[in-house]
Amino acid sequence: EVQLVESGGGLVQPGGSLRLSCAASGFTFSSYDMHWVRQATGKGLEWVSAIGTAGDTYYPGSVKGRFTISRENAKNSLYLQMNSLRAGDTAVYYCARGQVVLGAFDIWGQGTMVTVSS
Amino acid sequence: EIVLTQSPGTLSLSPGERATLSCRASQSVSSSYLAWYQQKPGQAPRLLIYGASSRATGIPDRFSGSGSGTDFTLTISRLEPEDFAVYYCQQYGSFTFGPGTKVDIK
Repeated sequence: EVQLVESGGGLVQPGGSLRLSCAASGFTFSSYDMHWVRQATGKGLEWVSAIGTAGDTYYPGSVKGRFTISRENAKNSLYLQMNSLRAGDTAVYYCARGQVVLGAFDIWGQGTMVTVSS
Repeated sequence: EIVLTQSPGTLSLSPGERATLSCRASQSVSSSYLAWYQQKPGQAPRLLIYGASSRATGIPDRFSGSGSGTDFTLTISRLEPEDFAVYYCQQYGSFTFGPGTKVDIK
């Protein structure tokens, strides 16, 4: 079964750091672009970061310089290192797989909750 | 940066009715890079349509996508009880999502 499972969420103080993980199974992880997408409670979806099969990375302005996406193909794992966290980063964080052709997000994990609060 | 606008914000319909959801881009979008997702409460989004009109694996044929340039449409031909959800469009050239349309039961 093709599956993505996130972990690592929790409560962190403003200015703190957190590292999210996403374990992939059921497909050749190294062959796919991967993404992180977040959703604040009651709000819409916001793309957070992407990493290509060659390790190239992409971020929107809202997290650039604070978040770092990485992957470890030998462990079928995706990561998101989040630094200098703010209250506005509070959300459910999903990892998602990009289709090989055309790149839509065809597989999603169940999400992990990150709460930034003092 | 391409901004996506979805309308209406909420669509109130009855089971069996036809739903027509709109997604408008601030500038022309390649049809190859327009997707639609469905999200139910407490669940992750699910890919419905990619490339503006291609159904993802396992998606029923009552879901269809169309459009080009700046105007795209998701149509649900006959609403089933499980179709009441929030729908997002996405331009995945830059990965941006629209704000969503909620389809609820009238």
